[in-house]
Amino acid sequence: NAGVTQTPKFQVLKTGQSMTLQCAQDMNHEYMSWYRQDPGMGLRLIHYSVGAGITDQGEVPNGYNVSRSTTEDFPLRLLSAAPSQTSVYFCASRVGLSTYEQYFGPGTRLTVT
Amino acid sequence: SQKIEQNSEALNIQEGKTATLTCNYTNYSPAYLQWYRQDPGRGPVFLLLIRENEKEKRKERLKVTFDTTLKQSLFHITASQPADSATYLCALDLSGGYQKVTFGTGTKLQVIP
Repeated sequence: NAGVTQTPKFQVLKTGQSMTLQCAQDMNHEYMSWYRQDPGMGLRLIHYSVGAGITDQGEVPNGYNVSRSTTEDFPLRLLSAAPSQTSVYFCASRVGLSTYEQYFGPGTRLTVT
Repeated sequence: SQKIEQNSEALNIQEGKTATLTCNYTNYSPAYLQWYRQDPGRGPVFLLLIRENEKEKRKERLKVTFDTTLKQSLFHITASQPADSATYLCALDLSGGYQKVTFGTGTKLQVIP
């Protein structure tokens, strides 16, 4: 198993550009989530999904969209990038709501200039 | 507002000693609390979970306690080794549910040979 994979590893965007951060898992996990990690702020939940076709907002959803058309994939879309979205983004998955251990991807470091 | 507090100052200890890290939370009583390890440039890795009805949990050299009256969890690493040097994060669902897991900012542990 590859576990949780994220692409790209690094990305530089200009303000106003859009892009999609990819996340995939091959463990057949129902629950997937996106976090951003900033110095001194900890990991903050952006969006999460409890299964294909079901998504919901986390703590900091503004400026981000998600969809979950398959169990395996959970892309995060930045509609119009802003410098405040400069961060490290982590995708995570877990079996389902009844299990709590989350498996994290390696992260995507995004810089918005 | 609801929040998780971990000591932001780095903890330096001598090899072989016991490291003790603290996680405090406010407001709601979580159903469970987790501890993760994060190495530089990598995603967090799950270590231990303790439920609200458990006072203590052990795994090899790791021990976690959970005091729901004090709203505090302590994470102990006994016989610490330089390889234990990392940032340790606590995580819980501040709403008391199972869907929105929030992480503390983490405490950086440095074990000195």
